[in-house]
Amino acid sequence: GAGVSQTPSNKVTEKGKYVELRCDPISGHTALYWYRQSLGQGPEFLIYFQGTGAADDSGLPNDRFFAVRPEGSVSTLKIQRTERGDSAVYLCASSLNTGSSYEQYFGPGTRLTVT
Amino acid sequence: GDSVTQMEGPVTLSEEAFLTINCTYTATGYPSLFWYVQYPGEGLQLLLKATKADDKGSNKGFEATYRKETTSFHLEKGSVQVSDSAVYFCALTGSARQLTFGSGTQLTVLP
Repeated sequence: GAGVSQTPSNKVTEKGKYVELRCDPISGHTALYWYRQSLGQGPEFLIYFQGTGAADDSGLPNDRFFAVRPEGSVSTLKIQRTERGDSAVYLCASSLNTGSSYEQYFGPGTRLTVT
Repeated sequence: GDSVTQMEGPVTLSEEAFLTINCTYTATGYPSLFWYVQYPGEGLQLLLKATKADDKGSNKGFEATYRKETTSFHLEKGSVQVSDSAVYFCALTGSARQLTFGSGTQLTVLP
């Protein structure tokens, strides 16, 4: 079946602009995660959704970052007033979160470059 | 909070050499432990996992044993291949559902 998809694959934007990054999880997966991976580092947690609600947003770095998942499927990560330090690969993952199935499946990521 | 410390890279080996990538962790309670792999140009893939002490995860010739007494989950493979060249990440889930990753180890296997 289809895996996790993310669009766009690459995004170049100017400092101060607004961007939206989209994640389409595996069908039927109730949990959705956003991570950010800077060059040469491991992914860092941003936010976790269980269904439509944000179960844990403790990883969002500041109030310029916001994410939604209005129908419990597709999620959008929104970044306002982008800064050069926001440049990274943004990863999305989804999981079933039932019984013993908590394995997270990752999408290919969106590479964001802020100039 | 939870943390993962991973062997610094890069690591360069000849084909058929023995591989060890060290990983230690700090977490409260009883975390689940994972190794993820990122092949060139591809997304993160789960390589293996272990959910309780003394469990051994294995896949594609790779193995790792959950050692609670030493808080370690070292990755091993007896004979590496060129196709194993990738970045390897150790990770855990603790009381929270999200993954905490190490910084990654770049492995290059030469023919």
